[in-house]
Amino acid sequence: AQKVTQAQTEISVVEKEDVTLDCVYETRDTTYYLFWYKQPPSGELVFLIRRNSFDEQNEISGRYSWNFQKSTSSFNFTITASQVVDSAVYFCALSVPGNQFYFGTGTSLTVIP
Amino acid sequence: DAGITQSPRHKVTETGTPVTLRCHQTENHRYMYWYRQDPGHGLRLIHYSYGVKDTDKGEVSDGYSVSRSKTEDFLLTLESATSSQTSVYFCAISDIAGVRVSDTQYFGPGTRLTVL
Repeated sequence: AQKVTQAQTEISVVEKEDVTLDCVYETRDTTYYLFWYKQPPSGELVFLIRRNSFDEQNEISGRYSWNFQKSTSSFNFTITASQVVDSAVYFCALSVPGNQFYFGTGTSLTVIP
Repeated sequence: DAGITQSPRHKVTETGTPVTLRCHQTENHRYMYWYRQDPGHGLRLIHYSYGVKDTDKGEVSDGYSVSRSKTEDFLLTLESATSSQTSVYFCAISDIAGVRVSDTQYFGPGTRLTVL
């Protein structure tokens, strides 16, 4: 069975602080994909990143970085120097071949000015 | 941005009435999905389609039916709406899928449904 756990329900940080959102996944498949989506207050779901299980390289995109560790089944997301516009709900998701997606329950991030 | 629209964007209805939500895509993607989003549950899959007239159930399919007569349209029907179906409904699309491949899902703007 597949499962995604985002243990942090809500996080508040002061602007310019760094923040890490945790994501732990479970799957027995050797081929799988991991995703992060952002849901700002306006409600739409915005795709941020996709990684496959064979690529453990960390990725950086501007102030965003992702740390994929198969040894701990984690795919954590770090925002450096947070900004008010980063306030949103962030979802981690797992996909196995066949395109079935499994979402975590989300982490609500509030960046305080 | 992927070309996905949902209609209506907001709807208020009464218990027992039928409701149909529409998802329309202009990307010619093969796969389409309906999710519902509720506090504390994240997104849960209702039904999905892997081609015209090809659909299958997801995690929370009871009380819902779907149809896909054209590649671009995927309809979600609540035959007799109940208050427990008050939710935000998202449509998603993806292209490639198979034994060893899984593609990114792109989401529509959502439909907020309230059942009184």
